Amino acid sequence: DAGVIQSPRHEVTEMGQEVTLRCKPISGHNSLFWYRQTMMRGLELLIYFNNNVPIDDSGMPEDRFSAKMPNASFSTLKIQPSEPRDSAVYFCASREPGLGIDEQFFGPGTRLTVL
Amino acid sequence: AQSVTQLGSHVSVSEGALVLLRCNYSSSVPPYLFWYVQYPNQGLQLLLKYTSAATLVKGINGFEAEFKKSETSFHLTKPSAHMSDAAEYFCAVIKGNTGFQKLVFGTGTRLLVSP
Repeated sequence: DAGVIQSPRHEVTEMGQEVTLRCKPISGHNSLFWYRQTMMRGLELLIYFNNNVPIDDSGMPEDRFSAKMPNASFSTLKIQPSEPRDSAVYFCASREPGLGIDEQFFGPGTRLTVL
Repeated sequence: AQSVTQLGSHVSVSEGALVLLRCNYSSSVPPYLFWYVQYPNQGLQLLLKYTSAATLVKGINGFEAEFKKSETSFHLTKPSAHMSDAAEYFCAVIKGNTGFQKLVFGTGTRLLVSP
């Protein structure tokens, strides 16, 4: 299995531009998580999908952030417009049905830099 | 509310020395606690977990952690550090009820291992 796949691995953009981060979960996993990692705030859960449905998006910072999961094999996290404070590493993780919340498999992350 | 605090953003040890990474928790209910490791340019991997069974938990790569209720601690140890242990380590706790749970992470401790 290829594991959780995230693209791009690195993204550099200018303030005000739209950014789209992509995630392909492990085949057969029905839960998907988006996290943001910064030096100041550590690792924070942004949103959690179960069976393609958003269950908890209380961690999404503001309306500039949106996430979708159109099918079981693909999810996007979009930032529009982007701001320098959005610079962070964004992780996607997925989990197999029936397993505990700790049994998440993390992708390698997307390092976003907003200039 | 459940939370964890990691003491020390960086810990430096020599190869062969004892590794001790500190984590204290706050929880109004018996906690489920975890340690994750993040190698450079990779996502997080589960090292070990405490789920109210044995208080001394053994994980992968020779790491272990002891749950001490009296000290509200869950420190991670390894008797002899190896160069390959250099990574960032995160303590985490489950927050929420059985309906919806999420992992809450500490801010991480970077372990540096010198020859």
